[in-house]
Amino acid sequence: QKEVEQNSGPLSVPEGAIASLNCTYSDRGSQSFFWYRQYSGKSPELIMFIYSNGDKEDGRFTAQLNKASQYVSLLIRDSQPSDSATYLCAVIGRAGGTSYGKLTFGQGTILTVHP
Amino acid sequence: GAVVSQHPSWVICKSGTSVKIECRSLDFQATTMFWYRQFPKQSLMLMATSNEGSKATYEQGVEKDKFLINHASLTLSTLTVTSAHPEDSSFYICRSIGGYTFGSGTRLTVV
Repeated sequence: QKEVEQNSGPLSVPEGAIASLNCTYSDRGSQSFFWYRQYSGKSPELIMFIYSNGDKEDGRFTAQLNKASQYVSLLIRDSQPSDSATYLCAVIGRAGGTSYGKLTFGQGTILTVHP
Repeated sequence: GAVVSQHPSWVICKSGTSVKIECRSLDFQATTMFWYRQFPKQSLMLMATSNEGSKATYEQGVEKDKFLINHASLTLSTLTVTSAHPEDSSFYICRSIGGYTFGSGTRLTVV
């Protein structure tokens, strides 16, 4: 089982729709969860992070975390063509463990927003 | 916080030569720097963790003699790809432990 898994893509949504990206993780002790956006040929850019159960909103983006189900998601409202990119879910290891401070990434989901 | 400046942005080198990539922490004393590698259409994979003043730790399967890491100061970590081969062509990216943003990355092409 992979440590971090993302729903297989690619995902295509029309402009203005809600894009839903999902991620599961295997280590129940994981501390924090991150969503990155990566345009082709560029470095990943941080969209948002979440560490408490529930929802966290930032503009058009909402991250949802369910630690019991080991599940984190990202919703993008009013999707725009400029949101077309690869979205990476990442998890950071528990404090005191060998993975502390290290980000482990999922395989990424390619999102295409078409006009 | 923990802004990282990475250079060069891209480099093309001949097979058998060595290439050095630098990551500078601009606003944070980076005791630790993480080095990632990303092959085309794949995700980021952690290669190694550099620690200021001590030896780097490498992830399983990463050759420490091929990927030399130096972290001699709190603001600079370097990754040297020695005797580069075409299979080392990749996108190399660094991140400081102080934050969750990455350097701009270095596209290495070995010909």
